[in-house]
Amino acid sequence: GAVVSQHPSRVICKSGTSVKIECRSLDFQATTMFWYRQFPKQSLMLMATSNEGSKATYEQGVEKDKFLINHASLTLSTLTVTSAHPEDSSFYICSAPDQSSYNEQFFGPGTRLTVL
Amino acid sequence: DAKTTQPPSMDCAEGRAANLPCNHSTISGNEYVYWYRQIHSQGPQYIIHGLKNNETNEMASLIITEDRKSSTLILPHATLRDTAVYYCIVRVATDSWGKLQFGAGTQVVVTP
Repeated sequence: GAVVSQHPSRVICKSGTSVKIECRSLDFQATTMFWYRQFPKQSLMLMATSNEGSKATYEQGVEKDKFLINHASLTLSTLTVTSAHPEDSSFYICSAPDQSSYNEQFFGPGTRLTVL
Repeated sequence: DAKTTQPPSMDCAEGRAANLPCNHSTISGNEYVYWYRQIHSQGPQYIIHGLKNNETNEMASLIITEDRKSSTLILPHATLRDTAVYYCIVRVATDSWGKLQFGAGTQVVVTP
């Protein structure tokens, strides 16, 4: 199946700093990507839809100025957590549908963010 | 998208079949049933999906009731590596955006 990568796999940062997470579709193009957040022992929560060449669409309750999304190319979307605080510590996962596979969703391995 | 209901947890002996139920009584005619699983600290993995016919692939089988209000995912010979949270999701497959809404899922623990 198609492959989606994320970088970094884990990051530790100080409170108040910004952290950028990359999501790449390695062998297919993705005009749309999705960003999820998962707290310990909880399910995945959809944060936003990343659209290539246009603004991201955020789910209700997700601050767009806090979680900046850029989808600059057909294979790369970035999520920047601005002015991170300890409550932003979470597992961030991206996914992308592959149109050649009936829009089957392929997920990245996730990024573990810890804010001290 | 229709909501789904799954049992919170299930144990299964290694080598035996694991049958995971899912209720989706409000499913619409154009909605498919998808199954994903998430092994601890990894991204979710696609397993199988179907509309109304039973489906089988190298990972699992999907049995959908005739009224489509429920389904069962079958792992024919569970192994320790099948320990994971299994998510049943209902959505319109032709939705090109492919947005997925995850419920709580079923934590499956396969024991030796």
